[in-house]
Amino acid sequence: QKEVEQNSGPLSVPEGAIASLNCTYSDRVSQSFFWYRQYSGKSPELIMSIYSNGDKEDGRFTAQLNKASQYVSLLIRDSQPSDSATYLCAAYSGAGSYQLTFGKGTKLSVIP
Amino acid sequence: DGGITQSPKYLFRKEGQNVTLSCEQNLNHDAMYWYRQDPGQGLRLIYYSQIVNDFQKGDIAEGYSVSREKKESFPLTVTSAQKNPTAFYLCASSIGLRDNQPQHFGDGTRLSIL
Repeated sequence: QKEVEQNSGPLSVPEGAIASLNCTYSDRVSQSFFWYRQYSGKSPELIMSIYSNGDKEDGRFTAQLNKASQYVSLLIRDSQPSDSATYLCAAYSGAGSYQLTFGKGTKLSVIP
Repeated sequence: DGGITQSPKYLFRKEGQNVTLSCEQNLNHDAMYWYRQDPGQGLRLIYYSQIVNDFQKGDIAEGYSVSREKKESFPLTVTSAQKNPTAFYLCASSIGLRDNQPQHFGDGTRLSIL
């Protein structure tokens, strides 16, 4: 069973700080990784995709991928109260898998 | 505006009743998916479809059925065989059924038992 694991939190950070969200995956051949943000009562919204080892930056968000360690992370710089949400990590397995496996999510609270 | 429209937003099911959740997309995406989300749980795949008139079971297909008669539409029926239907149902789509395409979600339907 392919798994994506996340710390459920809650993770609390003060406004303006860096929030660091982590995710590990069990399938060594996974190639494509995604971060979604889900506000309470709403549907998931795609915020980042990452496919290669290293960092990918988009505004205040940075995704980091380390395939050797089977580890994906999301950094949110200058955290704002509006960033308070549950963040879902998701991964496709490699070799033509069409199923996106989701973690259970990490709840982030940004304290004003 | 392109997007995925799910309806209704809230749905109540009586004992022994089948109910159908609607999902329509105008993104010209080939692949469509149905997920179920329970409180504190990850998303679990119910069914997915790559092309019209073709669909595949996901991890929790029992008690559900789907159809794909048009590219834009992928309705989900929750049958009376699904004994625990209360959940948040999410429809998603992607450009194609490839292992590098992000999936985009509709606003969801909350289903409860009366």
